[in-house]
This record gives sequence, C-alpha cells and structure tokens, in this order.
Amino acid sequence: AQSVTQLGSHVSVSEGALVLLRCNYSSSVPPYLFWYVQYPNQGLQLLLKYTTGATLVKGINGFEAEFKKSETSFHLTKPSAHMSDAAEYFCAVSFLSGNTPLVFGKGTRLSVIA
Amino acid sequence: KAGVTQTPRYLIKTRGQQVTLSCSPISGHRSVSWYQQTPGQGLQFLFEYFSETQRNKGNFPGRFSGRQFSNSRSEMNVSTLELGDSALYLCASSSTPGQGANIQYFGAGTRLSVL
Repeated sequence: AQSVTQLGSHVSVSEGALVLLRCNYSSSVPPYLFWYVQYPNQGLQLLLKYTTGATLVKGINGFEAEFKKSETSFHLTKPSAHMSDAAEYFCAVSFLSGNTPLVFGKGTRLSVIA
Repeated sequence: KAGVTQTPRYLIKTRGQQVTLSCSPISGHRSVSWYQQTPGQGLQFLFEYFSETQRNKGNFPGRFSGRQFSNSRSEMNVSTLELGDSALYLCASSSTPGQGANIQYFGAGTRLSVL
C-alpha cells in the first residue's frame, strides 16, 4: 500500500535559517507529490506539486522541493525562514492509475524563532 | 472566484446525536472530497463525490455518509455520534474527479466537538 512518512512532527528554526521538511513515500508506481500548508484555523493550501518533468519544483512563498526517485523522497526547503512560515506542513501522494485517494503524511509543525 | 465554503465552522454535539455538515465547492468544480483531521490519525479520506455519485470511500463505518446535489454542493452526515468523532472535517473540491495530478482546494473546515 502507498504511504507517506514525514520525519519529525515538529521542526524549529531561527528566522533567516534554512527550512528543511522531510517527506518519503512508499509506492510501486510513479507518484504525484504535493506539499500543502495549513495555518491555524484554516484549511490546507497547496504550496507546490510534482507530476512529471523537472524534478526541482518551485512553489509559492519561496518554497521548493526536489523529487528524488532513487531515495523516494520529496523534501521541502526554503533558504530563509520567515515568521509567517510558522504553520503545519503536509506531504501528500496520489497516482494516475486506479482510484486511490490522496494520501497524506502526518504533518510537520514548523516553528520559527525570532 | 469564491473558495470552498464549509458551514458551520464550529459544532458542539453530544454522544448519540447526529450531525450534518455542508460544503459548497468552487464554482464550476464538480468533484468534492471529504477528510477527517485528528491529532492522532492526521488527515484521513472519507469519500469523494462527482456528479452526484460517490466515486470512492475511505475506511470509515457506515455511520459516516454523504451526498452531492445537482449544483455540486455536498453534505456529510454522521449518525450516532461517538466521542472519537471529534475532529476537524475538511472538504476539498477539484474540477475533475479522481486524484492524479488534480489540485484539491480545501475549505476552512468544520470543527466538531462531541461531548
């Protein structure tokens, strides 16, 4: 069965520091990969997605992620954290074939320290 | 363009009661999916509707049901509420059915508390 693992339920960084949120997936077929962000009392907002083509994907708010098939990873990065980046981040996977729903990781809460 | 609208935003119910949550998708979107979000289990898929038909269902008991109307608005119902049903229920809409590369647009959710 397909699954998504996010390493670290809570990550804390200083303002201006690199943000790295880890996501690994388990799949026997090529996946589509997504990162969503959830701010308090809000729904999920898409940050970026990988479907096919270029493995480095740029998203909104300065975030980017790189699809590494050999490592089955799709880590999210941002060069310089801002206070407004504090939120919960979810990695998700879906597939072209079949009728499987979007599968989410457990989420990583990002705290940004001034 | 208005986003996904979920009503109500907050609900408090007692065990044994039933509840109905509503979701209005983005105009023109015909696919609506529902998710349950809890601290312990994270985001879990409940079901997906497209053109008034349930296309997919997650691993939830029959107490959880849903439907979609001809205008694509969707409702989900939970009967005989249990304490464990306390959660944030999220609705998402997309222009086409299924997942694949489709982007799902989420509403702000309905927070249900069961006492």
